[in-house]
Amino acid sequence: DTAVSQTPKYLVTQMGNDKSIKCEQNLGHDTMYWYKQDSKKFLKIMFSYNNKELIINETVPNRFSPKSPDKAHLNLHINSLELGDSAVYFCASSPTGVAPTTNEKLFFGSGTQLSVL
Amino acid sequence: QQPVQSPQAVILREGEDAVINCSSSKALYSVHWYRQKHGEAPVFLMILLKGGEQKGHDKISASFNEKKQQSSLYLTASQLSYSGTYFCGANQAGTALIFGKGTTLSVSS
Repeated sequence: DTAVSQTPKYLVTQMGNDKSIKCEQNLGHDTMYWYKQDSKKFLKIMFSYNNKELIINETVPNRFSPKSPDKAHLNLHINSLELGDSAVYFCASSPTGVAPTTNEKLFFGSGTQLSVL
Repeated sequence: QQPVQSPQAVILREGEDAVINCSSSKALYSVHWYRQKHGEAPVFLMILLKGGEQKGHDKISASFNEKKQQSSLYLTASQLSYSGTYFCGANQAGTALIFGKGTTLSVSS
């Protein structure tokens, strides 16, 4: 069984559209994250949720709205997509909490490659 | 604040050694190392905690100098499977893990 799973794996869409990416983890972890990896491979934290509560929001445009219906799921909705949103979006989870109190490793999903045309 | 990794890229032949460095301008609680192969997710290698410890994973080891806020990853007798991009992750106060820009390692036979 996949520990952290994301859907879809590939997403190709036009500028201005709205799209969602879904993430689920079956590890029983309390904390989930969204990271964005651009074409230069820079992995940047976007959001973090702990037990459905937003913990970290790293100056991401309001067009990005995460939602965590329960601690096993963290979805990312993007409105009015722009060319600059093209990237690979990784979901990740960690067992109990956000750094630095836990020093726990991150478990990554396989990523969603978003291409905005 | 993003940690700085060096070098940006390393090209090796099988059996050669390499060192990847990571430094932070902010106090670190710990340093993580991950490896990402092309088209795949980053995979955890190890965590270095305060105390200047060294850890090892097969022929890959790392050190953490908390006074200098620096960590180094040592790849010994590299294998083809070591190819990929290595990221250090800075565990700083008040935020999630912040990654450096990565070091691309290419190992050829």
